[in-house]
Formats: sequence, structure tokens, C-alpha cells
Amino acid sequence: SQTIHQWPATLVQPVGSPLSLECTVEGTSNPNLYWYRQAAGRGLQLLFYSVGIGQISSEVPQNLSASRPQDRQFILSSKKLLLSDSGFYLCAWTKTDMNTEAFFGQGTRLTVV
Amino acid sequence: QQQVKQSPQSLIVQKGGISIINCAYENTAFDYFPWYQQFPGKGPALLIAIRPDVSEKKEGRFTISFNKSAKQFSLHIMDSQPGDSATYFCAAGYLYNLFFGTGTRLTVIP
Repeated sequence: SQTIHQWPATLVQPVGSPLSLECTVEGTSNPNLYWYRQAAGRGLQLLFYSVGIGQISSEVPQNLSASRPQDRQFILSSKKLLLSDSGFYLCAWTKTDMNTEAFFGQGTRLTVV
Repeated sequence: QQQVKQSPQSLIVQKGGISIINCAYENTAFDYFPWYQQFPGKGPALLIAIRPDVSEKKEGRFTISFNKSAKQFSLHIMDSQPGDSATYFCAAGYLYNLFFGTGTRLTVIP
């Protein structure tokens, strides 16, 4: 069966510090991978998606970047965090066609102080 | 710009009652309309989904009603239970894009 791992679960970082959140998927190959941010009252905002190694599409210009160094690994990064980067970050995967069930990780609660 | 508009923001229903959550969209390219359920501290999980070639889909106590001409769809939870208390998100998607509504926090009172 397929599983998705996302870590860390919680993170408190000072303003201006770097960020690296990691997501890995097991039990499937060539998944589509996604990073979402969830803010109160704004639902789930799609940040990045990837359809293959090294292929990253950004939906929202921001202080964040994403990378996909391996088929089942997706990383969300920032060189310098802003207070506005605080939120609940979710990684998700789908089979090749997005219009199927998206499986979400448990999320990372990021607080920038 | 919110691609999918969801209402209400919160909903309180008595046990056994019907919970109704509504969503609307503008982009006619959307061809996949799922609903996700999220419990606190967890990632969302797919509850039920519909494609625009049908007007209704029912799975147990959960029903999606879809009105293509009005570009609206809704989730009905029959015989609501305290265990249904969660945040519900509608979404609309095409190709690699899946856009979510802002969520509805449902509380079912025993």
C-alpha cells in the first residue's frame, strides 16, 4: 500500500532562518507531488506541484521554493523565513492524472517567530 | 483569487439532522469535484467525489449534488453524527490543478 511521510510535524523558526520540509512517498512510482499551505479562513492554497524529477511548477509567487531530487521525494525550502510564512503545510500525491484522489501527509505546523 | 467559493464557514447541526455545505466555481474547465474531510491536526482525506457528467452521487450518508449550469455543487450529510464533526473542503480540479474552498467547520451536537 502507498504511504506518505512528512516531517517534521511541528517547527518553530526565527524570522530570517532557512527552512527545509521533506515529504516522501512509498509504494508507488512516478507520482504527482504537491505542496499546499493551509491558513485559517483561506482553505488550502496550492504552492507547488511536480509531475517528475526536477520538474517544478509554482502556483503562487512567494518566499518559498520546491525541489524534487528523487522520484518520490519532494522538498519545500526557504532561504529566509518571513512571519507570513507561518501556517500548516501539507504534502500530497496523486497518481499520474490529478483528477483522482489526492493523498495528504499529516502536515507540518510552522510558526515563524 | 478564490477559484472555489464555499459556504457556510461554520455549521452547527443536531445529531440526526442534515448538514448542507455549498460550493460554487467559475472556471468551466473544471472536471473533477471532490470533497475532503479534515480532523484537527491531520491532513485532509477524500470523502466523496463527482464528475460533471452526473448530477448526484451518493455514498452512505454522504451525497454530492451537482448543478453544471449553475456551476454549483453541494455536500449533504444525512443523519449527522458527532463523529462527523470536522472541517470539510470542497475542491474543483482539472489536469494537475486542484483548487480548494475555504472550508466549513461542522459541529454535530449530541
